Amino acid sequence: QSVVTQPPSASATPGQRVTISCSGSSSNIGDNYVYWYQQLPGMAPTLLIHSNSQRPSGVPDRFSGSKSGTSASLAISGLRSEDEANYYCSAWDDSLNDVVFGGGTKLTVL
Amino acid sequence: QVSLRESGPALVKPTESLTLTCNFSGFSLTTRGMSVSWVRQPPGKALEWLGRVDWDDEEYFSPSLRSRLTFSKDTSANQVFLTLANMDPVDSGTYYCARQFITLVGYGMDVWGLGTTVTVSS
Repeated sequence: QSVVTQPPSASATPGQRVTISCSGSSSNIGDNYVYWYQQLPGMAPTLLIHSNSQRPSGVPDRFSGSKSGTSASLAISGLRSEDEANYYCSAWDDSLNDVVFGGGTKLTVL
Repeated sequence: QVSLRESGPALVKPTESLTLTCNFSGFSLTTRGMSVSWVRQPPGKALEWLGRVDWDDEEYFSPSLRSRLTFSKDTSANQVFLTLANMDPVDSGTYYCARQFITLVGYGMDVWGLGTTVTVSS
């Protein structure tokens, strides 16, 4: 059981907007930056969002991140079939002295 | 172009040690702010951070694996090594190395290797 919680699944139709939540505590999300990764089926993860809301070069602006208190969210607008993947949030945990990942959210594009 | 590639044995017996190599190119681990992390993923499960080697020789370990984990590096050859002792079937999974460049993306892992799959079985 991860100390950072994500819904196991999410779904939406093409063109819609979907939000994936990531809930933690004051020792991780509340006090540190949040990172989001996309893992396409059978592939290695890729960095989608760093430092809560910053997109690395090359990541489309359809992807956005936000943080409030001990929770964070990843929003994907203009959903496409190629966005079907597992999404993971991550943060440093000051109490555990560890990088913690959420359990992942499997996004299905209907 | 930045790239990383993991290599090592696909099969390890219980109680043996696992040693993996991360070969990287397109950056130097002597550059200030540069790090290489190791992350693993059991089949069908979530990502798990194992630890990190920094440009200044600092090392960070996941507390759950600290007693079994060793890192080393050969900066001239652009290699980082992971050794995990006393392997158990629960250590089976895909092992990734990934770059972190604090100056660019904070502690985000912005470039990942393809991963290498390790099975622990007698």
